[in-house]
Amino acid sequence: AQSVAQPEDQVNVAEGNPLTVKCTYSVSGNPYLFWYVQYPNRGLQFLLKYITGDNLVKGSYGFEAEFNKSQTSFHLKKPSALVSDSALYFCAVRGGRSDKLIFGTGTRLQVFP
Amino acid sequence: EPEVTQTPSHQVTQMGQEVILRCVPISNHLYFYWYRQILGQKVEFLVSFYNNEISEKSEIFDDQFSVERPDGSNFTLKIRSTKLEDSAMYFCATLTGREETQYFGPGTRLLVL
Repeated sequence: AQSVAQPEDQVNVAEGNPLTVKCTYSVSGNPYLFWYVQYPNRGLQFLLKYITGDNLVKGSYGFEAEFNKSQTSFHLKKPSALVSDSALYFCAVRGGRSDKLIFGTGTRLQVFP
Repeated sequence: EPEVTQTPSHQVTQMGQEVILRCVPISNHLYFYWYRQILGQKVEFLVSFYNNEISEKSEIFDDQFSVERPDGSNFTLKIRSTKLEDSAMYFCATLTGREETQYFGPGTRLLVL
């Protein structure tokens, strides 16, 4: 069965420091991997995706993620966090013959000034 | 930039009542989805819809749920007889078919009393 794990409920980081939000997945076949961000009382906003090609993908607002096939991971990173990055981050995977997204439980990122 | 819109933003209903949630997809998108997020939990797939047919549905999407695209623009989710456990945020998502990214609407928060 397809699944996504986000092992951290919350990540705290000081503004200006690098951040990492972890995601691992399990899927049959080649995975399509996504990161979405959810601000309070808002919908899910697409950040970036990995479909094929370079393992390091860059997305919106300076975020990037690295696909690691051997570790089945797709961690979200940013070199320098901003207070405005504070939000709920969801990793999602699509795999096999289905186009539905399977989401992780989400990680709350808190960036402190 | 085109966006997915959803109405209403909030709905309160009594248990056993019917509700219809509406979504206006991005105009050139061909694939449509409903997801839900119970408070504090992860986003769950409900149903996918393409070419006026359900493509895939989850175990959650039982006989109380239905979807249709009545006028070629709106995409609706109907819950025939709401239960307390249907209280959740319901998200519509759409996809062009030429790329892999699903774009989400802002959601409808449904509260069943």
